[in-house]
Amino acid sequence: GESVGLHLPTLSVQEGDNSIINCAYSNSASDYFIWYKQESGKGPQFIIDIRSNMDKRQGQRVTVLLNKTVKHLSLQIAATQPGDSAVYFCAENLSGNTPLVFGKGTRLSVIA
Amino acid sequence: KAGVTQTPRYLIKTRGQQVTLSCSPISGHRSVSWYQQTPGQGLQFLFEYFSETQRNKGNFPGRFSGRQFSNSRSEMNVSTLELGDSALYLCASSEGQGGNSPLHFGNGTRLTVT
Repeated sequence: GESVGLHLPTLSVQEGDNSIINCAYSNSASDYFIWYKQESGKGPQFIIDIRSNMDKRQGQRVTVLLNKTVKHLSLQIAATQPGDSAVYFCAENLSGNTPLVFGKGTRLSVIA
Repeated sequence: KAGVTQTPRYLIKTRGQQVTLSCSPISGHRSVSWYQQTPGQGLQFLFEYFSETQRNKGNFPGRFSGRQFSNSRSEMNVSTLELGDSALYLCASSEGQGGNSPLHFGNGTRLTVT
């Protein structure tokens, strides 16, 4: 089965609020994680990545947190905007040259 | 740089037919991966090609095959189509091999099998 999953299938937030999307992984040997955003009719778009030697990484309005102790990954979006409405996927690299494994996705809806 | 290009965007085929999908990676990217996306199963890995060689293969039947050309462009083929093959087929390219670098996806080919 999949080793990467998401706690909630849907998330609704008010415009301007912060969003937090969570992801759990089961393989403690996983060493690379990526967040993707997929809008309707488009392919997944790379947002941010993090390697297992880090616990936090920041991008533009986004922060990824990695908690290796509980095997948990989260994506924080600051000041959520209507354009952030999409499905968000986390992906995990189990080891070496194996392919990325994707979670099921969380649909984020931004309420204006 | 131009992104990953997939053609065609939409396809409608009949059970038993075969189909070929095409993917042009980002210039300079030598790795091409294919994923199948369905509402029930999410993104499922099909295969990865690097320097014209298949490096990884997912758990799909032999009806699914692919290849990569010397210019890194890739094709995937599905033979003897079944209704369950209806899905969005996504191609992604990356600089490195495997899952250790970001995949950059195209917008996919939507295949409908009737």
